[in-house]
Amino acid sequence: AQSVTQLDSHVSVSEGTPVLLRCNYSSSYSPSLFWYVQHPNKGLQLLLKYTSAATLVKGINGFEAEFKKSETSFHLTKPSAHMSDAAEYFCVVSKSGGYQKVTFGTGTKLQVIP
Amino acid sequence: DTEVTQTPKHLVMGMTNKKSLKCEQHMGHRAMYWYKQKAKKPPELMFVYSYEKLSINESVPSRFSPECPNSSLLNLHLHALQPEDSALYLCASSQGPGGSEYNEQFFGPGTRLTVL
Repeated sequence: AQSVTQLDSHVSVSEGTPVLLRCNYSSSYSPSLFWYVQHPNKGLQLLLKYTSAATLVKGINGFEAEFKKSETSFHLTKPSAHMSDAAEYFCVVSKSGGYQKVTFGTGTKLQVIP
Repeated sequence: DTEVTQTPKHLVMGMTNKKSLKCEQHMGHRAMYWYKQKAKKPPELMFVYSYEKLSINESVPSRFSPECPNSSLLNLHLHALQPEDSALYLCASSQGPGGSEYNEQFFGPGTRLTVL
């Protein structure tokens, strides 16, 4: 069984300030973890994925996430927010090597204030 | 080519109409998915195809009928839909069985469906 909790439904930051989107997961097996971004009326774009090779994962557009097994967390960060980062972000967990069912978090809407 | 395409982008249909949504990928992926997404909610899995065979049906009403004619194409046939079926329908693909350990899904842009 697996689940994922996104701790904030809405995050608001000023342009140029750091972004932190929080995600905690639960999995009875070795997980694969992903962050996706969805801009309004668009599909989902993969930002980054967790590989067991490194706990600090770098993704596109300056985002990164750190896998912390002891805390069962996979928080998404970015040093400096840009207006174009305003979107919905989904944390996703699946069974490592599994390809069928993934579990989505409920999403975090990021607002960037100019 | 790392793109999943979907047509049409928008679709308006009456409750007695029959229509189809189409999805295509040319990444050689062997698993393809249909999701339904309501406003302000995460995507909900509807169907999974693996090697062109239906492997998961998440108890979706029979008014939704999936079809996988070949490894690159996925259709969703719609008939006698209800207004509550209005949503964004997303197609995705992944490498499938035997793929990489981190079998991420690639999503299309979606079809915005409105049922009147």
